[in-house]
Amino acid sequence: DAKTTQPPSMDCAEGRAANLPCNHSTISGNEYVYWYRQIHSQGPQYIIHGLKNNETNEMASLIITEDRKSSTLILPHATLRDTAVYYCIVRVNNAGNMLTFGGGTRLMVKP
Amino acid sequence: EAGVAQSPRYKIIEKRQSVAFWCNPISGHATLYWYQQILGQGPKLLIQFQNNGVVDDSQLPKDRFSAERLKGVDSTLKIQPAKLEDSAVYLCASSHRGPGDTQYFGPGTRLTVL
Repeated sequence: DAKTTQPPSMDCAEGRAANLPCNHSTISGNEYVYWYRQIHSQGPQYIIHGLKNNETNEMASLIITEDRKSSTLILPHATLRDTAVYYCIVRVNNAGNMLTFGGGTRLMVKP
Repeated sequence: EAGVAQSPRYKIIEKRQSVAFWCNPISGHATLYWYQQILGQGPKLLIQFQNNGVVDDSQLPKDRFSAERLKGVDSTLKIQPAKLEDSAVYLCASSHRGPGDTQYFGPGTRLTVL
């Protein structure tokens, strides 16, 4: 699976949009971009994934650049409960379902 | 829908002792995973089961770690003997079938080896 690069930490004001970037410049054509988050003392939680097109669900939006070398996870109205480590993962969907986690971005939402 | 259950939540042992962790995946999920998460790092896959068969155990330190999923449902992960560097959170996850399915994680077991 391709490697990803994320900033180690970010701050966001409560109620504002949180934009978390991820670089995956060596991504292959059949690799998806996945986002998980891990709130303190909990297991990772799936957020969203996409291949080429932008995706939106009840938790977040995923914006993938046209060349697919980077993406941004957007939490439209961050709350204190969104404070967590956010992991960007790229993987082929038929590769045994394995997730390879990097260091992630520690998002701190502040009042 | 009940989530992935793990027990115990916390365990403290001395080095060279043995320890076992239990995982009950979401009902109907064929694929089960064990991950190790050392403090400050992302989770690392140890072993993956498809029903009761092992799909990938390339990252499992087989001299001291073992895992089984005898009836294709519950799973146990054992460490014998434990070392100081085994101190970590052990996460269990499950997914419905296989490729492309979302993985759902349990709360983890925090192991401290003294």
